[in-house]
Amino acid sequence: EAEVAQSPRYKITEKSQAVAFWCDPISGHATLYWYRQILGQGPELLVQFQDESVVDDSQLPKDRFSAERLKGVDSTLKIQPAELGDSAMYLCASSLPGGPIHTQYFGPGTRLTVL
Amino acid sequence: AQSVAQPEDQVNVAEGNPLTVKCTYSVSGNPYLFWYVQYPNRGLQFLLKYITGDNLVKGSYGFEAEFNKSQTSFHLKKPSALVSDSALYFCAVRDIGSSYKLIFGSGTRLLVRP
Repeated sequence: EAEVAQSPRYKITEKSQAVAFWCDPISGHATLYWYRQILGQGPELLVQFQDESVVDDSQLPKDRFSAERLKGVDSTLKIQPAELGDSAMYLCASSLPGGPIHTQYFGPGTRLTVL
Repeated sequence: AQSVAQPEDQVNVAEGNPLTVKCTYSVSGNPYLFWYVQYPNRGLQFLLKYITGDNLVKGSYGFEAEFNKSQTSFHLKKPSALVSDSALYFCAVRDIGSSYKLIFGSGTRLLVRP
């Protein structure tokens, strides 16, 4: 069964450092999402791509976060500089395009700890 | 704005007993509702969804959910709980904006005791 791949699974960094997370969606899924899940809460969308274009980045802190999906397949989420409040689980999901009926499938996530 | 609420932080049930995890929703237009499960330090696993049609939706691992339009609820159920069902459960609704992002509830921790 196809899965969403993410790496690394765990990342520990010091504040002010740069970090990057990678996601490879299920083959054929044109829509890719990055969510952030703070401990004890539900995930919240950071950014959504349709192929290589950004559809929604309204909740992305653009002063320090950036995301790209250059060839419309895999994607990278970067934080520079990292702050203590960025400690969270970063989840990538993908789905078929075309509307709200399609299921989003999630990867295993990257657990970020900022010291 | 679309939203879901999970009124219980935790649900405790004995193995073999039926379980219910509650979810209520508030939407403009047709609701597209989902249930996901999360095990410790793992991503979310899809259980089931309601798009249209039958109010009783069957999903993975023996779970089902009942869509009730008059009560605006979408409760997750299982006839006989297993200890391995212990996990964090999230109800979610699709946004109706351009992104169709998922809007999640706060989660309910299910503990099944042997």
